[in-house]
Amino acid sequence: ETGVTQTPRHLVMGMTNKKSLKCEQHLGHNAMYWYKQSAKKPLELMFVYSLEERVENNSVPSRFSPECPNSSHLFLHLHTLQPEDSALYLCASSQASMADTQYFGPGTRLTVL
Amino acid sequence: RKEVEQDPGPFNVPEGATVAFNCTYSNSASQSFFWYRQDCRKEPKLLMSVYSSGNEDGRFTAQLNRASQYISLLIRDSKLSDSATYLCVVNSDAGNMLTFGGGTRLMVKP
Repeated sequence: ETGVTQTPRHLVMGMTNKKSLKCEQHLGHNAMYWYKQSAKKPLELMFVYSLEERVENNSVPSRFSPECPNSSHLFLHLHTLQPEDSALYLCASSQASMADTQYFGPGTRLTVL
Repeated sequence: RKEVEQDPGPFNVPEGATVAFNCTYSNSASQSFFWYRQDCRKEPKLLMSVYSSGNEDGRFTAQLNRASQYISLLIRDSKLSDSATYLCVVNSDAGNMLTFGGGTRLMVKP
């Protein structure tokens, strides 16, 4: 299934590094999301974009910076992360309404050393 | 109170068993309800939406009880391949966002 793709699949970075996660959806959807999934915790919504405009920032630290250049692409720029930021970062997209079914990418497993 | 609450399990059942999960939600105004399935180290995938009148998809039956604010998922004739974490998803208190429960882990044994 290639509806929503994410790169890289795995990332190890130091606390002083800067890296970016990329997400691309091929479903013609208008809304895209970033979630964080830590071990034994529910998915946490980080950012929501609808028609390329950010409509929700769930009190995420500024060391995470999203970018949505068009309705098919979503980035998450990372800088000066902490070890507790290690998690699975999932991208999702949905047709229009944010209550619609969301389709997830395979995720990027991030480890911060 | 958590917005969406699930028993984390694990539920260990033999093949062929019937198993049911419940999920409670706090926002009485929630309108959209889903069950997602997440395999180990994979992304969540939609299993089924939950409709007011209840709905069935093969071996899976979803029910909604608005008065008690809970959703259930019934799996009949469990297969080994049903082993996964099942996520309950509803509108969040913020209005139009989806909130995920922590998931219930199911392990089907031979």
